[in-house]
Amino acid sequence: QSVLTQPPSVSAAPGQKVTISCSGSSSNIGRNYVSWYQQLPGTAPKLLIFENDKRPSGIPDRFSGSKSGTSATLGITGLQTGDEADYYCGTWDSSTSVYVFGIGTKVTVL
Amino acid sequence: EVQLVQSGAEVKEPGESLKISCRVSGYSFTSYWIGWVRQKPGKGLEWMGIIYPGDSETKYSPSFQGQVTISADQSISTAYLQWSSLKASDTAIYYCARGSGRVDYWGQGTLVTVSS
Repeated sequence: QSVLTQPPSVSAAPGQKVTISCSGSSSNIGRNYVSWYQQLPGTAPKLLIFENDKRPSGIPDRFSGSKSGTSATLGITGLQTGDEADYYCGTWDSSTSVYVFGIGTKVTVL
Repeated sequence: EVQLVQSGAEVKEPGESLKISCRVSGYSFTSYWIGWVRQKPGKGLEWMGIIYPGDSETKYSPSFQGQVTISADQSISTAYLQWSSLKASDTAIYYCARGSGRVDYWGQGTLVTVSS
């Protein structure tokens, strides 16, 4: 059972926008940067967003991140079939000195 | 180009020992934390622990403390994850990954199957 709460699934039609929430606490999201990871079927996870809202080189600006208090949000605009994947939030938990992942959210393009 | 290349799939019996590896290239091995993440079939990601190869400082998740050992060999830029006595519940894909605050590069994963 993860300390970071995400919705199990979200879906939308191609071209639409989805948002994925990640809720934590003052010991994790509240005091540390949040990252987001994309895991396409059968592949290793890939870093999508780091330090709450920064994109690594090569990640399109259709992907965005934000953080407020003890929650973070990943947004995907212009949804494409290739975006169908599991998305995980992750951050350091200062009280346990453990890196924690959310349970993951499956994005389905209708 | 940063690369993390993991050893191949393993099939073991309960009680056996195992050591899997993660060889890195394209960056200074001793300058970044490197960790291990477990993913059981159809499940999410679980952070197991990390090591700083520069001084071998290691941190474990309480869930994995005492169950596995993380180590590193600077001379060959390789990190390891080992078990002394595998259980069926250790069946999973194991990923090595660079970083502590953000995990920016991942290995391709090593499937470990434990079955009698």
